[in-house]
Amino acid sequence: LAKTTQPISMDSYEGQEVNITCSHNNIATNDYITWYQQFPSQGPRFIIQGYKTKVTNEVASLFIPADRKSSTLSLPRVSLSDTAVYYCLVGFYNNNDMRFGAGTRLTVKP
Amino acid sequence: GAVVSQHPSRVICKSGTSVKIECRSLDFQATTMFWYRQFPKQSLMLMATSNEGSKATYEQGVEKDKFLINHASLTLSTLTVTSAHPEDSSFYICSARDGGWANEKLFFGSGTQLSVL
Repeated sequence: LAKTTQPISMDSYEGQEVNITCSHNNIATNDYITWYQQFPSQGPRFIIQGYKTKVTNEVASLFIPADRKSSTLSLPRVSLSDTAVYYCLVGFYNNNDMRFGAGTRLTVKP
Repeated sequence: GAVVSQHPSRVICKSGTSVKIECRSLDFQATTMFWYRQFPKQSLMLMATSNEGSKATYEQGVEKDKFLINHASLTLSTLTVTSAHPEDSSFYICSARDGGWANEKLFFGSGTQLSVL
């Protein structure tokens, strides 16, 4: 599994756009990039997944450059309820190596 | 989306007792399930990977005789913490991969907070 590196923490204010970047220099050809959100005392929740270029859903966008060695999760207009830890995970369906990196602790302030 | 149910959500037990945690995939067949533990303010640490009908694969440093994992069906995996001690107190989370997806996506249970007195 490609090792991932993320900033340990980020602060933002309500209404701002937040971009969290994850580095995965050793990503393999078959690997997908998936982002999860975790609130305290809860299991992680799927946010978005992509393979290359850009993916957008109702809660976030995921930007992946051509070399796929990094990815950026973009959260538009964050609110206080977006305060959580965000993890990126890299892998593919036949790979059982589901180890998480340190994650990014996002704090949204009023 | 797919739902993973984990029970109990919280358990308090005496030192030396065993605790069983259940993880069920409610609307899909989970050929592979993963068990994690998480300490406060830390990331999830993978404990073991279980495939239906076969023995679990444990991560280095995780005692397989202490953390018994059974994945007897495509919808149920259990983690039993045997002879629990205070140092086993932690947040345990299961996840399952929906075999129907062509790409990698995990669905997580809500976690079990274990407190050993």
